[in-house]
Amino acid sequence: DAGVIQSPRHEVTEMGQEVTLRCKPISGHDYLFWYRQTMMRGLELLIYFNNNVPIDDSGMPEDRFSAKMPNASFSTLKIQPSEPRDSAVYFCASSLWTGMNIQYFGAGTRLSVL
Amino acid sequence: QKEVEQNSGPLSVPEGAIASLNCTYSDRVSQSFFWYRQYSGKSPELIMSIYSNGDKEDGRFTAQLNKASQYVSLLIRDSQPSDSATYLCAVRNSGTYKYIFGTGTRLKVLA
Repeated sequence: DAGVIQSPRHEVTEMGQEVTLRCKPISGHDYLFWYRQTMMRGLELLIYFNNNVPIDDSGMPEDRFSAKMPNASFSTLKIQPSEPRDSAVYFCASSLWTGMNIQYFGAGTRLSVL
Repeated sequence: QKEVEQNSGPLSVPEGAIASLNCTYSDRVSQSFFWYRQYSGKSPELIMSIYSNGDKEDGRFTAQLNKASQYVSLLIRDSQPSDSATYLCAVRNSGTYKYIFGTGTRLKVLA
């Protein structure tokens, strides 16, 4: 399997612009997670889905952030409008609920908002 | 109090030594525990998982869990310069499928 695939790998945008991050989970996995990582706050869970349904979005920082999972093989995280404080690495992870429910991470998207 | 705490380091050990990384957690109902390794600029990768009290060994890595004291540790034997990375501790509580991550411990193995 190719693993969790994220795109783009790097995104540079200007404040106020809309940003869309994309994720393709591992085929067959039924959980998908979006994380944000910064030096100050570490790895923070933003939202997670089970069978394409959002289960817990308590980590989404504010209404500017939204996430969708229209099908089992695709998810998006959108920031509109973007702000400089959104600059971070955004990771997507997927897992299968058997046993330990191990999460596998994508390579991440490094977002810079100028 | 943070839910999962780790010393940020850096922890420096000479090549060939044992590196000991520690993690404490606050929720007694925590069920599953994970150690991820993250190289600079890369994504976290799982190296160990444990959910029963005691030790679990995998090659040079040993995870130790003590639920009564609410800590989990990772020992790396015969440390190599390639082990230099940030090690993230993650905890999954019962009744949820989400992980809580610590902020990580940076390990430096000196050649």
